[in-house]
Amino acid sequence: DSGVTQTPKHLITATGQRVTLRCSPRSGDLSVYWYQQSLDQGLQFLIHYYNGEERAKGNILERFSAQQFPDLHSELNLSSLELGDSALYFCASSVSWREGPDTQYFGPGTRLTVL
Amino acid sequence: GIQVEQSPPDLILQEGANSTLRCNFSDSVNNLQWFHQNPWGQLINLFYIPSGTKQNGRLSATTVATERYSLLYISSSQTTDSGVYFCASSFGNEKLTFGTGTRLTIIP
Repeated sequence: DSGVTQTPKHLITATGQRVTLRCSPRSGDLSVYWYQQSLDQGLQFLIHYYNGEERAKGNILERFSAQQFPDLHSELNLSSLELGDSALYFCASSVSWREGPDTQYFGPGTRLTVL
Repeated sequence: GIQVEQSPPDLILQEGANSTLRCNFSDSVNNLQWFHQNPWGQLINLFYIPSGTKQNGRLSATTVATERYSLLYISSSQTTDSGVYFCASSFGNEKLTFGTGTRLTIIP
């Protein structure tokens, strides 16, 4: 158990819908990262938040947005869903990026299926 | 950005065999991690190893940063070692760039 929790574990929805994925980082970790794993694109970085502020963006679609709340949990919002958004979405956390690179610990993932 | 290549893409071994998985990265990195993705999709941290050598039971890893590669060794393989092994690296901005993985199948 990495200490990172993600809910829900599975999500099945229809095209055009909107969903919210939730992540709670390890106790004491200030950085939260979101990654997407799809069959055709592999594991790709989406976005990084540190202590409530957005730090870096990767290949995140405009239909997707995220935020990190004062209690440090994070949510990833996916809207106008398409079939191609079906993937495993991971959240990872680390203590900080300020002091340099650090181990990222991954949650169990949310498997999203868009029908 | 950083490019990460892993080899071999697939590996099938008999239980008890040893294996070496390789990860090449295209640029200087200050973070390199190895993960095992089990059949249920969970990504398990194996090593944080930007340089040097580490060992954890039957697994060990070595990163030679100056030559831009890392190796993961698995000894006395067990069926529970099956899955996909990923290496991932980053420099500066902390986002991890993942390789395409090595799919390891251990046959009893």
